[in-house]
Amino acid sequence: DTAVSQTPKYLVTQMGNDKSIKCEQNLGHDTMYWYKQDSKKFLKIMFSYNNKELIINETVPNRFSPKSPDKAHLNLHINSLELGDSAVYFCASSPVSHSSPLHFGNGTRLTVT
Amino acid sequence: GQQVMQIPQYQHVQEGEDFTTYCNSSTTLSNIQWYKQRPGGHPVFLIQLVKSGEVKKQKRLTFQFGEAKKNSSLHITATQTTDVGTYFCAGSATSGTYKYIFGTGTRLKVLA
Repeated sequence: DTAVSQTPKYLVTQMGNDKSIKCEQNLGHDTMYWYKQDSKKFLKIMFSYNNKELIINETVPNRFSPKSPDKAHLNLHINSLELGDSAVYFCASSPVSHSSPLHFGNGTRLTVT
Repeated sequence: GQQVMQIPQYQHVQEGEDFTTYCNSSTTLSNIQWYKQRPGGHPVFLIQLVKSGEVKKQKRLTFQFGEAKKNSSLHITATQTTDVGTYFCAGSATSGTYKYIFGTGTRLKVLA
């Protein structure tokens, strides 16, 4: 029973393409996140949704567009991919409380060539 | 904006030696969490500290939250090869926010 699942696990694509990453959680959590981890292992928050509503939108190029069709799903669509977008993207979820642990998915390794 | 730095960036230790990573925030934190990420894995929650000066232990791991709630530390006693990974602190600056800023991480390597 995977609590937070992301697909695909690996994504290799060329510059200029558009791609999507999907995330689903079966924990009943209200809040979901996207984090980006670069080659130096730095983890940076990108977006957060609470009950389908966008609550955190960090300084991210507008080529990145999150979508939350319901509170169990948070997808990430990326337009016009660039080399610098290569990274591991982690989805995470947490209960409503701000002081709750984050549950991470296994990550999607995106490589842009 | 809020920044959370960790030192050291890397640490190699012989199995059995102790290890400590330090976490420093540019702003006062509401609470702090610690995560461990094994090589090739995803961050896994270890613990959360809320009160000023709080100390918590999990077997060989000791976590501290500074009096000013701007720094924290994780100490591992007698490291084992299973301790290998990157340790992150993550701080929430304001009570009620859902925004956790992750520290820069400390990568631990344990030599058998």
